[in-house]
Amino acid sequence: AQSVTQPDIHITVSEGASLELRCNYSYGATPYLFWYVQSPGQGLQLLLKYFSGDTLVQGIKGFEAEFKRSQSSFNLRKPSVHWSDAAEYFCAVGAGGNEKLTFGTGTRLTIIP
Amino acid sequence: NAGVTQTPKFQVLKTGQSMTLQCAQDMNHNSMYWYRQDPGMGLRLIYYSASEGTTDKGEVPNGYNVSRLNKREFSLRLESAAPSQTSVYFCASSEGIFRGGETQYFGPGTRLLVL
Repeated sequence: AQSVTQPDIHITVSEGASLELRCNYSYGATPYLFWYVQSPGQGLQLLLKYFSGDTLVQGIKGFEAEFKRSQSSFNLRKPSVHWSDAAEYFCAVGAGGNEKLTFGTGTRLTIIP
Repeated sequence: NAGVTQTPKFQVLKTGQSMTLQCAQDMNHNSMYWYRQDPGMGLRLIYYSASEGTTDKGEVPNGYNVSRLNKREFSLRLESAAPSQTSVYFCASSEGIFRGGETQYFGPGTRLLVL
């Protein structure tokens, strides 16, 4: 069965600074990898996803993520954060042949002026 | 399009009471899901329905039942609510063509407090 670890529960960055959120997965084959964002009091919205091919994936709102098979990682990055990026971020992994996703426990991002 | 809608938005129950959470999607998706979100636990799958007429247990199904009423609607029922079921419940849907790794689209959530 697949699993996801997000080692950082809470991260604080200054507005304009760069951001990297970590995600490590466990799965025997090539996984399907996702990043979702949840703004306070809202549902989850897809930021980006990786299926195959180019290991650097571009998403919405200026986010990108890089799939590194050797490190079993799929870290999310943004070069310059905005106050509106304050939210909770979830990494998720899916397996081929079924629809289910396994989510990590989330990383809460706080932006300071 | 409304996407995925959930009712109610908030609910307070007493221990032992029952209630049904409603979910509907207008994207003609085949697969639908119910998750619960608890602090520090992420999202955990309660039940899912890969297609109309089928339902399957997820990671935490105890204390819940589901009904896939038709292709659009997927309800979650708590027969006898317990304080441990205090949580935020999310419904989601995906196109569902069994290739795996499809995008799931989420509703806004239902916040449930069981006293």
